[in-house]
Amino acid sequence: EVQLVQSGAEVKKPGESLKISCEGSGYNFPSYSIAWVRQMPGKGLEWMGIIYPGDSDARYSPSFQGQVTISADKSINTAYLHWSSLKASDTAMYFCAKHKVAVATSSPFDSWGQGTLVTVSS
Amino acid sequence: DIVMTQSPDSLAVSLGERATINCKSSQSVSSNNKSYLTWYQQKPGQPPKLLIYWASTRESGVPDRFSGSGSGTDFTLTISSLQAEDVAVYYCHQCYSIPFTFGPGTKVDI
Repeated sequence: EVQLVQSGAEVKKPGESLKISCEGSGYNFPSYSIAWVRQMPGKGLEWMGIIYPGDSDARYSPSFQGQVTISADKSINTAYLHWSSLKASDTAMYFCAKHKVAVATSSPFDSWGQGTLVTVSS
Repeated sequence: DIVMTQSPDSLAVSLGERATINCKSSQSVSSNNKSYLTWYQQKPGQPPKLLIYWASTRESGVPDRFSGSGSGTDFTLTISSLQAEDVAVYYCHQCYSIPFTFGPGTKVDI
């Protein structure tokens, strides 16, 4: 069974750093891109970027470029989303999602993590 | 960026009736007879769930009352006979070009 398990909820202060994780199992992790999607409270879905774990090639939405870093460690089947300096406006639920088609960049997402709630407040 | 719009923002449908959601992209998301348009369903407190991909291919396990159609810039999700468990927000999504983008969502209620 394909599963994506995300790290737990976080409460942070503005200016702090944070790295959240997404561990995949039940499939060949290096071969399928992982996307990160933000959902602010009561709002819709926003695509942040993707990473291909096989070679760690990451692409970003211009809205998130420079604001976050997406990385992966294929040796432990885990993708990451990292902030070096959080803002209150980063408060949101963050989902990771697995691409349905191996290797392909243009692919729907067929499995999603349960989400990680990040709260940034002073 | 490709901008995705959906209509209506919300709709209320009686049980057993048809629900139709429209999605429009600011430029074509189809190429070589394939449309890079996906529909997701999100229920409160849950992650999104894949319903339809390549505009009209139903994901395994998705009831056949869900269907998708369209190509180019105009797409439709139809729920042929609404069930209580279909109450959710539905999002269209293009995976044609980066940055991939979502529509704003359509809330479906009974």
